[in-house]
Amino acid sequence: GNSVTQMEGPVTLSEEAFLTINCTYTATGYPSLFWYVQYPGEGLQLLLKATKADDKGSNKGFEATYRKETTSFHLEKGSVQVSDSAVYFCALSPYSSASKIIFGSGTRLSIRP
Amino acid sequence: EPEVTQTPSHQVTQMGQEVILRCVPISNHLYFYWYRQILGQKVEFLVSFYNNEISEKSEIFDDQFSVERPDGSNFTLKIRSTKLEDSAMYFCASRQGEQETQYFGPGTRLLVL
Repeated sequence: GNSVTQMEGPVTLSEEAFLTINCTYTATGYPSLFWYVQYPGEGLQLLLKATKADDKGSNKGFEATYRKETTSFHLEKGSVQVSDSAVYFCALSPYSSASKIIFGSGTRLSIRP
Repeated sequence: EPEVTQTPSHQVTQMGQEVILRCVPISNHLYFYWYRQILGQKVEFLVSFYNNEISEKSEIFDDQFSVERPDGSNFTLKIRSTKLEDSAMYFCASRQGEQETQYFGPGTRLLVL
């Protein structure tokens, strides 16, 4: 079946630190991979995505590379800001019509000034 | 920028009552979804809807749940007889085409007492 596993939080970092949030997946076929972000009190926003192996998604200084050989899609940012404090969800969408999104459990990130 | 909207933002109801959660997807989108997030847990797929019919539903989406697109703009989720365990944040999402990104609404927080 299809599933997503991401590192448990909470993760607390100081401003300007390097961020990695690990994500691995299990899927049949070739899924699309996503990172969604949920800021306090808000809904889910797409942060970045990758649709095929070796694609790199990037947005707002965040990056993630679709690694088929390790079935991973780790999220990275070189220098985090207080405004990056949020819950981050790794997710996949199976390659089929009208596909649902399958989410990981989420990682809460807190950035100290 | 077009966005998915949901009403109400919060709803409190008594166990056994019917609730209808409303969503207005982005206007040229063809695929519609409901997800839910129980507090502190992962986001779970409930149902997908395309061409005026359900295309996929999860085990959670039992006979107490129904969806409808009553006109050209609204997409509703009805819970016929609410239970305590239905308390959650409910997200609507839509997308334009088969492999396009899903866009999420801000959610409706439902509390069943």
